Amino acid sequence: DSGVTQTPKHLITATGQRVTLRCSPRSGDLSVYWYQQSLDQGLQFLIQYYNGEERAKGNILERFSAQQFPDLHSELNLSSLELGDSALYFCASSSRLEETQYFGPGTRLLVL
Amino acid sequence: AQSVTQLGSHVSVSEGALVLLRCNYSSSVPPYLFWYVQYPNQGLQLLLKYTSAATLVKGINGFEAEFKKSETSFHLTKPSAHMSDAAEYFCAVSAPSFKTIFGAGTRLFVKA
Repeated sequence: DSGVTQTPKHLITATGQRVTLRCSPRSGDLSVYWYQQSLDQGLQFLIQYYNGEERAKGNILERFSAQQFPDLHSELNLSSLELGDSALYFCASSSRLEETQYFGPGTRLLVL
Repeated sequence: AQSVTQLGSHVSVSEGALVLLRCNYSSSVPPYLFWYVQYPNQGLQLLLKYTSAATLVKGINGFEAEFKKSETSFHLTKPSAHMSDAAEYFCAVSAPSFKTIFGAGTRLFVKA
C-alpha cells in the first residue's frame, strides 16, 4: 500500500460526458502528479501540482483540467469524453519534485 | 534538460536466467535515477533509486542497478529470473528542482 488513494476504482461513461477523478496523496506529500496510461500511448505525464499550485504541464488536453485543494487532495476533471480517453489514470505524490513518486492504484476509465 | 531511453520495449528470458533491462539517461546536472515496476492492474512502485551515494544500488526482490557515469547508463539486473518478475519496468531520471522523466517502459516476459 503506497498511501496514495484514488477514487473511483472503475468508471464507465458515455462519449460527451464529464467525469471527476479524485486523489489523496500520502500524508505529508505536497506534490501530486497525474498520469494517463493506455496501450498505445504508454505512460503519459499530464500535470503536476505542488502545495495547491500548478507546477508542470505535460501532454494534457484542453478538455482536461485539474486542481489541488488546500487539504492537498487533487481532482482531475475530464470533459467532452471521447472513446480514446479510455485509459488508466494514475495519481502519484512525492515530498519534493525530484524525490520518489508513490503511485495510487489508478482509476480505470472506459468511455463507450 | 533531462531524458531517459529504455532499450527494448519487450524482453523475454527463461526462468532462472539473467535479467538485464537497459536504461540510458541524459542530464545536465548530477541525476537521481529510479527503477519502478508495474505489475498487472497495479500502479508503479519503486524498485530502487540512486541519489549519488554508492554506484551499485540494491533494490527489492533481488534486483540491482549500477550507475555508470561514463556510459550514462543505469541498467537493471537480476541474476536469476522468477516467474513473478513478469511485469513492466520503468526507468526514470530527475535531479534537485527538476521534474521526474519516465522512460517508455520495458515489458519483461519470463518463460517457464
